[in-house]
Amino acid sequence: KAGVTQTPRYLIKTRGQQVTLSCSPISGHRSVSWYQQTPGQGLQFLFEYFSETQRNKGNFPGRFSGRQFSNSRSEMNVSTLELGDSALYLCASSLVGADGYTFGSGTRLTVV
Amino acid sequence: GQQLNQSPQSMFIQEGEDVSMNCTSSSIFNTWLWYKQDPGEGPVLLIALYKAGELTSNGRLTAQFGITRKDSFLNISASIPSDVGIYFCAGQSYNTDKLIFGTGTRLQVFP
Repeated sequence: KAGVTQTPRYLIKTRGQQVTLSCSPISGHRSVSWYQQTPGQGLQFLFEYFSETQRNKGNFPGRFSGRQFSNSRSEMNVSTLELGDSALYLCASSLVGADGYTFGSGTRLTVV
Repeated sequence: GQQLNQSPQSMFIQEGEDVSMNCTSSSIFNTWLWYKQDPGEGPVLLIALYKAGELTSNGRLTAQFGITRKDSFLNISASIPSDVGIYFCAGQSYNTDKLIFGTGTRLQVFP
């Protein structure tokens, strides 16, 4: 079966711009979580969606937002980009429970 | 953000050697997970642990869920070059699907 698909794989944006990242979960998975990975801070939890509802949220500013559609696909948006937002953004989907997480390959965002 | 303390930060070993790494937390978790991440890819689940004291193996990998529920360790026996990567522990609390990740252990294996 197809894995978790994240698009695009690479993205370069300018400070002040906004960006939208996409995640298509494994078919049948209704939970989608997003993580930010940086060399200095490691893997940090952004938010989790289940059946189009945000269930959990990490400690990120309001510039980071997300949503989930009825087909379980999810998007995350970052507005007013800052240099520090440069990171690998990972999406993970699961049927139930975090031990069922399957991660995508990520979107590497570079802000210049 | 919250993170687990994982050590060592990096390891450089020779092929065939055994490897140990551990993870500690100030919080109690009900599930401990170990992941491996290859360059340019997302983490892949290696082992999941669900009960305090549980010892679980997956091939050459063995992991244990600490009795206090605040720690876990991972052993890799007879390392091979394809073991190279970054290993992460992750903990999950009772009432949330949110995973808290460790800081990672970067493993290099030399032939």
